[in-house]
Amino acid sequence: QKEVEQNSGPLSVPEGAIASLNCTYSDRGSQSFFWYRQYSGKSPELIMSIYSNGDKEDGRFTAQLNKASQYVSLLIRDSQPSDSATYLCAVNARPGDYKLSFGAGTTVTVRA
Amino acid sequence: NAGVMQNPRHLVRRRGQEARLRCSPMKGHSHVYWYRQLPEEGLKFMVYLQKENIIDESGMPKERFSAEFPKEGPSILRIQQVVRGDSAAYFCASSPSLTGGNTEAFFGQGTRLTVV
Repeated sequence: QKEVEQNSGPLSVPEGAIASLNCTYSDRGSQSFFWYRQYSGKSPELIMSIYSNGDKEDGRFTAQLNKASQYVSLLIRDSQPSDSATYLCAVNARPGDYKLSFGAGTTVTVRA
Repeated sequence: NAGVMQNPRHLVRRRGQEARLRCSPMKGHSHVYWYRQLPEEGLKFMVYLQKENIIDESGMPKERFSAEFPKEGPSILRIQQVVRGDSAAYFCASSPSLTGGNTEAFFGQGTRLTVV
């Protein structure tokens, strides 16, 4: 089993819709969870971090964490063409751990 | 992320040559990580360094690859005798002190290595 798995893409959504991205992880002791956005040919950009169960909202982005289910998700509301990118889920095993385990990424295309 | 500086952005090497990739962390960051992203694959951890110390190199191939983060100057990832399979994007990330626990890492623009 891979350490971090993301729902397979690509995911195509119309402009203005909600894009829903899912991620599961295998290490039950994991403590820190991140979503990165990566445009083609560019570097990963941190867009959300979440450490506690529940929801965390930042603008049009909402991260949801459920440690019991070992599940973290990202919702993008009012999707825009500029949101078209690959979204990477990353996990730190525990506080003070320095090594990120990444999922393979989900590519999102927002249709105008 | 713009604060982590990597150079060169693109590097072309012939098989058997050496590749040297440089990374200067964000101001105030003392932890540097190197990741490799192969085409159509996710990012894979390679090595974690602090100044003058390699903390974890468990993700780095045992041969031909080395990394350093000297007291002065950037961190260097060196690949000796490159092969075509080394062609990838190499990203450097930095984070502040681990005191406090949470470690948000910020990535540089990457070096895209092409071995011909």
